[in-house]
Amino acid sequence: KAGVTQTPRYLIKTRGQQVTLSCSPISGHRSVSWYQQTPGQGLQFLFEYFSETQRNKGNFPGRFSGRQFSNSRSEMNVSTLELGDSALYLCASSLEGSRSGNTIYFGEGSWLTVV
Amino acid sequence: DAKTTQPTSMDCAEGRAANLPCNHSTISGNEYVYWYRQIHSQGPQYIIHGLKNNETNEMASLIITEDRKSSTLILPHATLRDTAVYYCIAGRNKLVFGAGTILRVKS
Repeated sequence: KAGVTQTPRYLIKTRGQQVTLSCSPISGHRSVSWYQQTPGQGLQFLFEYFSETQRNKGNFPGRFSGRQFSNSRSEMNVSTLELGDSALYLCASSLEGSRSGNTIYFGEGSWLTVV
Repeated sequence: DAKTTQPTSMDCAEGRAANLPCNHSTISGNEYVYWYRQIHSQGPQYIIHGLKNNETNEMASLIITEDRKSSTLILPHATLRDTAVYYCIAGRNKLVFGAGTILRVKS
């Protein structure tokens, strides 16, 4: 079956703009998590959504937000982009999340460059 | 979520078993141990996970000590394509990635 799909794969934005990234989880998965990966900070947890509700949140400013739709697809939004937001943004999906010991699968990520 | 400690890097000869250790001494009873690997510019690839018992799948084996304070990922016959960063994660509500171990498989 199809894996976790993220779009777009690459994008370039200007400081001050906002960006929306999309994630389609594996069919049947209801938990979607987002991670940011940068060379300096490594992989950091942003938030997790389950059944359209944010269930867990990492230590990121309010400029980072997300949502999940009834079909489990998820979007994350970053407003007022800063140069430091340049990163690989990864989406991960699982049946019910890591608290249930499910296998968690990652997508290939969206590369965001802020100039 | 428990913090994990892994060696910064390891080398392994092609065809030999690669044993990657991980320390998670503060792991709580309901936290799973997950292993992922990442090849540059790609998303992390799931390898294996477990709670208490040892686990084996087509990719690897996971050995968890009885006190659950450490674990070892075993790649039975390493190939050049297994060169990657390997992450050990002990978590429940979210995956907290450390710096991982750079595994270099050499011919």
